[in-house]
Parts: sequence; structure tokens; C-alpha cells
Amino acid sequence: GENVEQHPSTLSVQEGDSAVIKCTYSDSASNYFPWYKQELGKGPQLIIDIRSNVGEKKDQRIAVTLNKTAKHFSLHITETQPEDSAVYFCAANSGGGADGLTFGKGTHLIIQP
Amino acid sequence: EAGVAQSPRYKIIEKRQSVAFWCNPISGHATLYWYQQILGQGPKLLIQFQNNGVVDDSQLPKDRFSAERLKGVDSTLKIQPAKLEDSAVYLCASSFNNEQFFGPGTRLTVL
Repeated sequence: GENVEQHPSTLSVQEGDSAVIKCTYSDSASNYFPWYKQELGKGPQLIIDIRSNVGEKKDQRIAVTLNKTAKHFSLHITETQPEDSAVYFCAANSGGGADGLTFGKGTHLIIQP
Repeated sequence: EAGVAQSPRYKIIEKRQSVAFWCNPISGHATLYWYQQILGQGPKLLIQFQNNGVVDDSQLPKDRFSAERLKGVDSTLKIQPAKLEDSAVYLCASSFNNEQFFGPGTRLTVL
């Protein structure tokens, strides 16, 4: 089955700086890669996603890149703000009809004022 | 648009007891998922439904966990009997065009 590795587990950046979180996946059949933000006591919130026919996608301060050959994808957050502090998860689907997600272990992003 | 609804939000039981969780997906979403999230980890898929049929239950511990989605809308997840290691947050999600939207989860503590 799919295996998703995520790094780093904790990331501390100064407010206004950029943050980058990286993930790798194992199943070449995966074709959908979402990123979720989870705040304490809440369910994961979809913030951006990318499909395998696209190399990069951007939404305001958030961007995601995908390298299918190397099987890795990354989340980039620019001009970080205190409200960006949370746990971020990458995920990959299984491909085909059973498209449940396999998640990474998460990155705790801390924005230092 | 209303999100995914789950209840209860919290549940505390003793080991060997039974517990059930309820989920109401986003209106019109045919696909529904249950995930288990142990503290400090990412969610792990337990079961996926398409309408009222099971698509994938390969990671569901079927000796103690069961789930159903009657009429293809609401779903219930049951644990009987519960073990200490079942302590986790149980998340329900529904999807449209691959995009999965999660509910707030039910935090289960097994003592």
C-alpha cells in the first residue's frame, strides 16, 4: 500500500519568513495530493491540493509543488503569520476507485512573533 | 453550506464496553470515510463507503469494529468491545471530486 513520509516534524520560523514542508510517497498510482491544516481540537481543514497532471499550484500565500518522477511534493507558505501556527499534514490517495488518503505524520509549524 | 457533522464530540468508556459514533456528511457527497487519529499521528483510514456500499475496509479491525451507512447518507461506526489502544479521535469525512472534508471528530478515551 501507499506510504507517505513527511519532514520536518517540527518547524519554527520567524513571522514574515517562509516555511517549507516536504513529503515523499511510494505508490506511483497515486494521483491526488492534498494538504491539511489541523488546529487543536478540530478536524483537518483542506488548504490546498494538487493533482498528478500539474507541477505547481498557488493560492495566495500558499503553494504546492509536485515532482512525479521523484515522488515528492512540498508545501510552501510565504509571509507567515501567527495564525499559520498549527499542525500540517500531507496526504496521498490510493488511485483507482478506493481513494482513501494515506497521511504523513504531520509537521508542527510554530510562527515566532 | 453545512459541514460534516459528528456526535458525540467526546466519549469516555471503560475497556470491554461498547461505543458508537454518528456522522452526517455534506449534502450530496456520495463518498464517506471513517479515519482513526491517534495522538501525535496522522489520520488512518478505517473504511470508505460509496453511497451505502463498502469500497475499502482493509484496515478496519473487523473483530471489534463495524460500520454501516444505511440509505447512503448518515453513517455509524461501532466498537465492541473497546480496548485501551482504541483511545483516539475518530474522524468522519465526505468527498466530492476527490476533495475530502472532515468533521470535528469524536474524541474517545478508553479507561
